[in-house]
Amino acid sequence: DAKTTQPPSMDCAEGRAANLPCNHSTISGNEYVYWYRQIHSQGPQYIIHGLKNNETNEMASLIITEDRKSSTLILPHATLRDTAVYYCIVRGNRDDKIIFGKGTRLHILP
Amino acid sequence: DAGITQSPRHKVTETGTPVTLRCHQTENHRYMYWYRQDPGHGLRLIHYSYGVKDTDKGEVSDGYSVSRSKTEDFLLTLESATSSQTSVYFCAISETSGRRYEQFFGPGTRLTVL
Repeated sequence: DAKTTQPPSMDCAEGRAANLPCNHSTISGNEYVYWYRQIHSQGPQYIIHGLKNNETNEMASLIITEDRKSSTLILPHATLRDTAVYYCIVRGNRDDKIIFGKGTRLHILP
Repeated sequence: DAGITQSPRHKVTETGTPVTLRCHQTENHRYMYWYRQDPGHGLRLIHYSYGVKDTDKGEVSDGYSVSRSKTEDFLLTLESATSSQTSVYFCAISETSGRRYEQFFGPGTRLTVL
């Protein structure tokens, strides 16, 4: 079973920041938080991951709370091409596998 | 983009026929994975490989077998296809296991079993 909880869908206006929340209250101290997204009919795409510090790359920022029980993925200036399903994933003890949950369907509104 | 191809990209077959899907990588990554994606279920792991001739089961492995005779190729076989195996199949690769390394996904194969 997925170890994360995400809202099923969200809307965001084009050009605004999209903030996608994720709860992972049972995360272990040595587990990372990963974010992927899947644009319609394509394979999932890696976005970012982190352990406990905030992370930023060219695609997004990841904010992890101090207790690590939740995180937020931030797309700073959302465009229509960011419309996708976003998956928040915690890597389990069996590190070989990724368990995907249902994700959040993000709609970017023009 | 990571060098991952899947073939065929689309296939329609009949119940009871054998089907083999191929995943090919040019990245020389050690780990390879097969997932299926169905409405309401998200992505589910079928089998994965952690090296040549080394494979293990995922969460939905029944009815599927895999083989990996070369680093670059990972084959998924449905010995006798059923309608419940109609799905989109994704292959993924990763350089190593461990929490710090991401998986890269292929474009997918859409399989329809009539």
